[in-house]
Amino acid sequence: AQKVTQAQTEISVVEKEDVTLDCVYETRDTTYYLFWYKQPPSGELVFLIRRNSFDEQNEISGRYSWNFQKSTSSFNFTITASQVVDSAVYFCALSDPMDTGRRALTFGSGTRLQVQP
Amino acid sequence: NAGVTQTPKFRVLKTGQSMTLLCAQDMNHEYMYWYRQDPGMGLRLIHYSVGEGTTAKGEVPDGYNVSRLKKQNFLLGLESAAPSQTSVYFCASSQDSRNQPQHFGDGTRLSIL
Repeated sequence: AQKVTQAQTEISVVEKEDVTLDCVYETRDTTYYLFWYKQPPSGELVFLIRRNSFDEQNEISGRYSWNFQKSTSSFNFTITASQVVDSAVYFCALSDPMDTGRRALTFGSGTRLQVQP
Repeated sequence: NAGVTQTPKFRVLKTGQSMTLLCAQDMNHEYMYWYRQDPGMGLRLIHYSVGEGTTAKGEVPDGYNVSRLKKQNFLLGLESAAPSQTSVYFCASSQDSRNQPQHFGDGTRLSIL
């Protein structure tokens, strides 16, 4: 079964705190791709990162970092020194299995992050 | 550099009315998608297209129809709107590769009374 679970529905932190958003996935594919998207209050979806299943190096981009662990089927997202502008809903997504031919994404239910000043 | 453009941005319909949502992309992408976003459920795939003239059903296709007559456009139709179709609709497009991110439009907020 293809599934993405974001167990944290809502997280509230105070500015400058570090916060980690969890993502656990299930797939039958041996090669797959994972994505994170940000949805700010304005509503659009902004692509943050793509990770392929055969590259387990963690990635850092400024205050953002991603920890991919194939052994636990997790792809967690950490924001260091959070800022009010980080307040948004964050979605983790998984590529469709190869044999479907769809190239669509399976999304988690999202985690709403609120950063208080 | 428009990317993916959705029209309209907001719409209120009465039950039983019909309407068409338009999605246009200027990136020459082969793949296009329609998703709906409901509270607490993430985005769910309604229909998709792997190229001009082709369409296929996603996870929640009932009550919707689509057409892809031109490569750059993907239309989503509601023939007889129902309150259960109240949602935010997103169109997306991507290149022909599993590892490419999907590019999303800004969404259409649709309310069915």
